[in-house]
Amino acid sequence: AQRVTQPEKLLSVFKGAPVELKCNYSYSGSPELFWYVQYSRQRLQLLLRHISRESIKGFTADLNKGETSFHLKKPFAQEEDSAMYYCALKVSGTYKYIFGTGTRLKVLA
Amino acid sequence: GAVVSQHPSWVICKSGTSVKIECRSLDFQATTMFWYRQFPKQSLMLMATSNEGSKATYEQGVEKDKFLINHASLTLSTLTVTSAHPEDSSFYICSARAPRAIGLRETQYFGPGTRLLVL
Repeated sequence: AQRVTQPEKLLSVFKGAPVELKCNYSYSGSPELFWYVQYSRQRLQLLLRHISRESIKGFTADLNKGETSFHLKKPFAQEEDSAMYYCALKVSGTYKYIFGTGTRLKVLA
Repeated sequence: GAVVSQHPSWVICKSGTSVKIECRSLDFQATTMFWYRQFPKQSLMLMATSNEGSKATYEQGVEKDKFLINHASLTLSTLTVTSAHPEDSSFYICSARAPRAIGLRETQYFGPGTRLLVL
């Protein structure tokens, strides 16, 4: 079955603390994974893609096929990072995305 | 960047009426658009894939007669919730696939969503 799991609904950290938002997936093929972010009162937007191996706004995510994980990390959280974060899996050969349930990140001053 | 708009942003209707939601790609042509539904504190669930000039492809469990999708042009897809009932109340989000030729970073751009409340 194709599934994306984000075990934490809410994650609160203090400003300057490290952040890790967990994402696990279940997929039989070669996965293409994404992190999307939704700031307050804004639309969903792409944060980063695993195939690009990029760092955006200080966030990185590494695909671990052995653990079927794609955790999002940032060494030092900022208050402006507070948002809803969704992990998503693109179904190979299609443009369909399967989203996780999302994790709300609150960065406290 | 590419912008996707949705109209209306919110709508309240009586049970039994039909509601039409528009999704437009403002500065690019989208041969494929997607309709998602999001319940409170839950994930986005793909309802259907809308292809310009052809019938939409619905996900398992989505009633095609209930949720009518029309993709009449390369910049417009509409979702009509027919004979709406309170259980159809939800947040509906569309997205549009951006052609690679544009050279944009993202492959899918999301609209701001439409909140539907059926009384």
